[in-house]
Amino acid sequence: DAKTTQPNSMESNEEEPVHLPCNHSTISGTDYIHWYRQLPSQGPEYVIHGLTSNVNNRMASLAIAEDRKSSTLILHRATLRDAAVYYCILRPPGNTPLVFGKGTRLSVIA
Amino acid sequence: DTAVSQTPKYLVTQMGNDKSIKCEQNLGHDTMYWYKQDSKKFLKIMFSYNNKELIINETVPNRFSPKSPDKAHLNLHINSLELGDSAVYFCASSQGDSRSNYGYTFGSGTRLTVV
Repeated sequence: DAKTTQPNSMESNEEEPVHLPCNHSTISGTDYIHWYRQLPSQGPEYVIHGLTSNVNNRMASLAIAEDRKSSTLILHRATLRDAAVYYCILRPPGNTPLVFGKGTRLSVIA
Repeated sequence: DTAVSQTPKYLVTQMGNDKSIKCEQNLGHDTMYWYKQDSKKFLKIMFSYNNKELIINETVPNRFSPKSPDKAHLNLHINSLELGDSAVYFCASSQGDSRSNYGYTFGSGTRLTVV
């Protein structure tokens, strides 16, 4: 499986934007970039995914580098409820299930 | 309405017992999964079923046996429980395979404690 590298932890002030980076230098041309998050005592939750173009949804934005070797998940205004572990995952074609790494633990300070 | 529901939420049992965890999804998804999250918080895939057929079976002891009576249900039966089986087990579902690349929907987990 192609691997991703994320910082172990990040901290943000409430109501400020948060940029969560992910490096995936060995990504293949057909790998989708998925982001999930896991709030305390809950199951993982889908956030966003993309292939080449930047993506926006109600939860976040995904900025993908032109060479696709890195991506950034953007939370436009962090709230206390966004404190979670954020996982950046590459998903190849076929029936390969999601493989979770260690993720980035995001703390939000009031 | 809960999209992916697991029961029970908590399960405490003695070593050597046999237990089952049930999972149901009402999303009409084709594929269902079981993941295990250990005390170090690593999430690992255990099984994947597509339309009631097993498609992924990671290195999991034979004591773990998934059963899918229909595509909306994927139950996990564990025989002869061991202390190391203590973990949180998550069920998930998705529509299609990764070529369509839909997101997964996870249940809220079953915390299994073996004493």
